[in-house]
Amino acid sequence: DIQMTQSPSTLSASVGDRVTITCRASQSISRWLAWYQQKPGKAPKLLIYEASNLESGVPSRFSGSRSGTEFTLTISSLQPDDFATYYCQQYNTYSAWTFGQGTKVEIK
Amino acid sequence: EVQLVESGGGVVRPGGSLRLSCAASGFNFDGYAMRWVRQRPGKGLEWVSRINGNGDYPEYADSVKGRFTISRDNAKNSLHLQLNSLGAEDTALYFCARERHGGPLDCWGQGTLVTVSS
Repeated sequence: DIQMTQSPSTLSASVGDRVTITCRASQSISRWLAWYQQKPGKAPKLLIYEASNLESGVPSRFSGSRSGTEFTLTISSLQPDDFATYYCQQYNTYSAWTFGQGTKVEIK
Repeated sequence: EVQLVESGGGVVRPGGSLRLSCAASGFNFDGYAMRWVRQRPGKGLEWVSRINGNGDYPEYADSVKGRFTISRDNAKNSLHLQLNSLGAEDTALYFCARERHGGPLDCWGQGTLVTVSS
């Protein structure tokens, strides 16, 4: 199975900060990567698909990029609603999709 | 509005069985593959099972293969997951989710909690 290594596991930041989360795939997944946001007790919400495409309705402060097998989620100016856990997920393989371990963004 | 609503979770003894359901509305259900994803308490997300649009190609994660069975009833816009031979490691919040065509999971239910405990 393709392994997704996400870092950091926890991130402390303040409102207005620029935040970057990284996800590395164990092999090539082309651009087939998504980012999700999850708040406690809620379902994940799709933010980014195909590495850099913003899902409809998601604020433009969220962006995604790719360099080889390394993927980045950036929040340009952290807002109070953005404190949550973020997961990357590869969908290169037909069925055996894998998620990163998650990054919890906490208030500093 | 696209909506997915899970049901059927509960407390079950080790070795027991449970059947989860997911009611879909607001979209052409048989036009989409569907997945079950679970989240153990305080842990990350794990893909469990997938079924294609017409229901004739189920797939499973190794961790549940031979114990879980996914199915769908397109006439009733419903998705199901039969859980057998349950163990403590199956305790989790189970989400159903819609798979965008060839793409990520773009709509999720709120989840149903399965607790395996004696």
